[in-house]
Amino acid sequence: NAGVTQTPKFRVLKTGQSMTLLCAQDMNHEYMYWYRQDPGMGLRLIHYSVGEGTTAKGEVPDGYNVSRLKKQNFLLGLESAAPSQTSVYFCASRLTGLGETQYFGPGTRLLVL
Amino acid sequence: GQSLEQPSEVTAVEGAIVQINCTYQTSGFYGLSWYQQHDGGAPTFLSYNALDGLEETGRFSSFLSRSDSYGYLLLQELQMKDSASYFCAGSIKAAGNKLTFGGGTRVLVKP
Repeated sequence: NAGVTQTPKFRVLKTGQSMTLLCAQDMNHEYMYWYRQDPGMGLRLIHYSVGEGTTAKGEVPDGYNVSRLKKQNFLLGLESAAPSQTSVYFCASRLTGLGETQYFGPGTRLLVL
Repeated sequence: GQSLEQPSEVTAVEGAIVQINCTYQTSGFYGLSWYQQHDGGAPTFLSYNALDGLEETGRFSSFLSRSDSYGYLLLQELQMKDSASYFCAGSIKAAGNKLTFGGGTRVLVKP
């Protein structure tokens, strides 16, 4: 049982390049989330999904797109990377229901030059 | 909107007790969670309060007062491994049952 995994662990991009971050969970969780965390700050929600085939915008969605084609996977895309998107990206998942714990992946460190 | 305020940093010695306060302004709020994050690591769940009062989990306790829009995390018998950042997070009763995180409190435990 791997929990929540993220690919890649680290990536360097040039401004304008695109990339996709992959999140996978093997806990059969319905809800999945993408956050970004800037140095010394809390986590901010980018996009989330309440089930396969559904996605919704979070607090800071601009410049990102997501897809949830399979229940276990949640993809985060950057179409044209900008230096302001340099951050650590965390994926999380949880069961449905109030108060359920979110389980986080190990994070992807992204540097945009 | 939603916002949660917590102190930026706390320093204490091994064996001491530390209280991290969290005040919030949220609409649709229904519970307060606490997460721990070591440097370079992922956030991990510590505690959750759905009702007013104290929840105890080993050396860690969490408290919530809805009437005061206030909660705290109490770390007892501090150990060096407790040096980490601690985040309060408000649960929002809306689609996706999202969490809104505070800015985090960095706890430094000294020998």
